Amino acid sequence: AQSVTQLGSHVSVSEGALVLLRCNYSSSVPPYLFWYVQYPNQGLQLLLKYTTGATLVKGINGFEAEFKKSETSFHLTKPSAHMSDAAEYFCAVSKPPDKIIFGKGTRLHILP
Amino acid sequence: GAVVSQHPSWVICKSGTSVKIECRSLDFQATTMFWYRQFPKQSLMLMATSNEGSKATYEQGVEKDKFLINHASLTLSTLTVTSAHPEDSSFYICSASPWDTEAFFGQGTRLTVV
Repeated sequence: AQSVTQLGSHVSVSEGALVLLRCNYSSSVPPYLFWYVQYPNQGLQLLLKYTTGATLVKGINGFEAEFKKSETSFHLTKPSAHMSDAAEYFCAVSKPPDKIIFGKGTRLHILP
Repeated sequence: GAVVSQHPSWVICKSGTSVKIECRSLDFQATTMFWYRQFPKQSLMLMATSNEGSKATYEQGVEKDKFLINHASLTLSTLTVTSAHPEDSSFYICSASPWDTEAFFGQGTRLTVV
């Protein structure tokens, strides 16, 4: 069975500082891994995904994540936080078209 | 990218009435769609898998008689909340995958039962 653990339900960083959102997964098969962002009262937008190939994945809005099989991790980073990055972030695992399993989410707060 | 559209974006209904939410894949065919529910400040919880031409598969604890799912065509799945009560108030989101490596989500429907 697949599962996702996001460490920290809330993360606060100062504007311009490094953003690091942690995600660990459990999967019995090679997983597809995703990071989604959700703004209030909206659906989910894909930030980036890992399927196969290069383990460092670059996404939209300056975000990137690295798939580390040995650590079963897929942490999300951004070198410099912007106020517009404040949102809810979900890590997810699956192999579409099978169902996606989401982590509990991490709310990112940006401090001025 | 592919587009999944949900309608309505928000709805308010009286307790005891039924509400239908539509999920459409606009530029691809989807034999499978998923319905999620999200409570305030919580993650998405999978409710059911909608299968075109067959019965939906419900997750444990989800009442299939309360949350009716119909997937009558390759581009449309509907979720009907029957005899709605205030505790059914939530944010409902659907998703579908046009190809193997990505899922696309509708914009969500905010249901408020008064």
